[in-house]
Amino acid sequence: NAGVMQNPRHLVRRRGQEARLRCSPMKGHSHVYWYRQLPEEGLKFMVYLQKENIIDESGMPKERFSAEFPKEGPSILRIQQVVRGDSAAYFCASSPNNYEQYFGPGTRLTVT
Amino acid sequence: DQQVKQNSPSLSVQEGRISILNCDYTNSMFDYFLWYKKYPAEGPTFLISISSIKDKNEDGRFTVFLNKSAKHLSLHIVPSQPGDSAVYFCAAMDSGGSNYKLTFGKGTLLTVNP
Repeated sequence: NAGVMQNPRHLVRRRGQEARLRCSPMKGHSHVYWYRQLPEEGLKFMVYLQKENIIDESGMPKERFSAEFPKEGPSILRIQQVVRGDSAAYFCASSPNNYEQYFGPGTRLTVT
Repeated sequence: DQQVKQNSPSLSVQEGRISILNCDYTNSMFDYFLWYKKYPAEGPTFLISISSIKDKNEDGRFTVFLNKSAKHLSLHIVPSQPGDSAVYFCAAMDSGGSNYKLTFGKGTLLTVNP
C-alpha cells in the first residue's frame, strides 16, 4: 500500500505566478488535510476535505488560496499570485478514520 | 496563542538511555494526542497516539503518558538509538469538533549520540 504521494517535491515560482500542489491520499483514505510549515515552526492546519467537499477551510488565507478534492484524481492546493511569504513546506495528510493522519513527503515552495 | 507547547527545542541523550520528550497543552477540549517523528526534507511519520480516556499507551520502545489534570504528555523512548535522531512533534485534536484538525507544537530536536 503506497503512502501519501505529493508532487512536485520542490516548486519554484516567481512572485505573481500560480502554484499548484498535488496530493494523492493512501488507498482507501477519504479524508485529506493540508498543513503548512514555515521555517522553525510546527505544522499549521489549512484545510480539511473529503471527496468533492470542503469540510473546514478555517486555516486557509481567504484570498489567493483554494483547495479541492475531486471525485477522480488527486487533491489540489492552489495558490494564485504567489508572494515571498508563501514560501514554505506544504504537507498533505490522509486518514481512514479522522484520527491517525499519515503525511506525505511535502512540497517545498520557494517564491523568488 | 500557542495551544500546544514543546518547551525544549532540543534534547541530547546517549545511545541506550531513555529519551523523554515533553509536551503541554492549554485547550481543555483536546482529547486525542499524537506524536510524530520528522527527518529533514521528509514528511512527519506517525509514531504513537493516546486517547484522553487512557493515561498510558505503549508500542515497542515508545510509550506515551498523559496527565490530563496537568495538561501534559510525554513520549518515552527506551532504549534510544542513533536512528531515533529527528525532530519530534506533539499534536493534539478535539475529536468532538467537526474537522479533526491537528494542532502541532514547534517540535523538539532529539539527538542520540553513539
